[in-house]
Amino acid sequence: GENVEQHPSTLSVQEGDSAVIKCTYSDSASNYFPWYKQELGKGPQLIIDIRSNVGEKKDQRIAVTLNKTAKHFSLHITETQPEDSAVYFCAAVSGAGSYQLTFGKGTKLSVIP
Amino acid sequence: KAGVTQTPRYLIKTRGQQVTLSCSPISGHRSVSWYQQTPGQGLQFLFEYFSETQRNKGNFPGRFSGRQFSNSRSEMNVSTLELGDSALYLCASSPESLGNEQFFGPGTRLTVL
Repeated sequence: GENVEQHPSTLSVQEGDSAVIKCTYSDSASNYFPWYKQELGKGPQLIIDIRSNVGEKKDQRIAVTLNKTAKHFSLHITETQPEDSAVYFCAAVSGAGSYQLTFGKGTKLSVIP
Repeated sequence: KAGVTQTPRYLIKTRGQQVTLSCSPISGHRSVSWYQQTPGQGLQFLFEYFSETQRNKGNFPGRFSGRQFSNSRSEMNVSTLELGDSALYLCASSPESLGNEQFFGPGTRLTVL
């Protein structure tokens, strides 16, 4: 089945700096890659996603890039703010006969004011 | 639109008991998925229901089961509870197939004593 690795597990940045979180996946048939933000006591919130026919997608301060050849995708947050502090999860959906969402282990992002 | 709602939010049970958790998806969403979140294993897919049929299933023992009703509301049941079943159980709804965006509820925190 699909396996998603996520790095780093923790990340501290100064307010205003950029943060990058990287994920790799194993199943070349995976075709949908969402990113979720989870704050304490809440469920994961979808913040951005990308499909396998697109290389990059931006939404204000957040961007995601996908390299299908290398089977990795990354989340980029620019001009970080304290409210960006949370746990971020990458995920992949494999189209090879199963549509279950496989998550990375998460990255705890701390933005220091 | 109202978001995904889950009840109850917190639950304490003892080993050997059984438990039923409820999820009401976003209006119009017909796909409901369940995930287990633990510090050690992260977010793991349990199963997905679409139009009252289980369409996908993760690698969990048969003690974990679910169902979906004609109004798309879903329940999951865990029988013969074990200490290791203590987790945050998350429900997510999607407008169509699992490849589309999934929107999570706040979760049910289950503690097994």
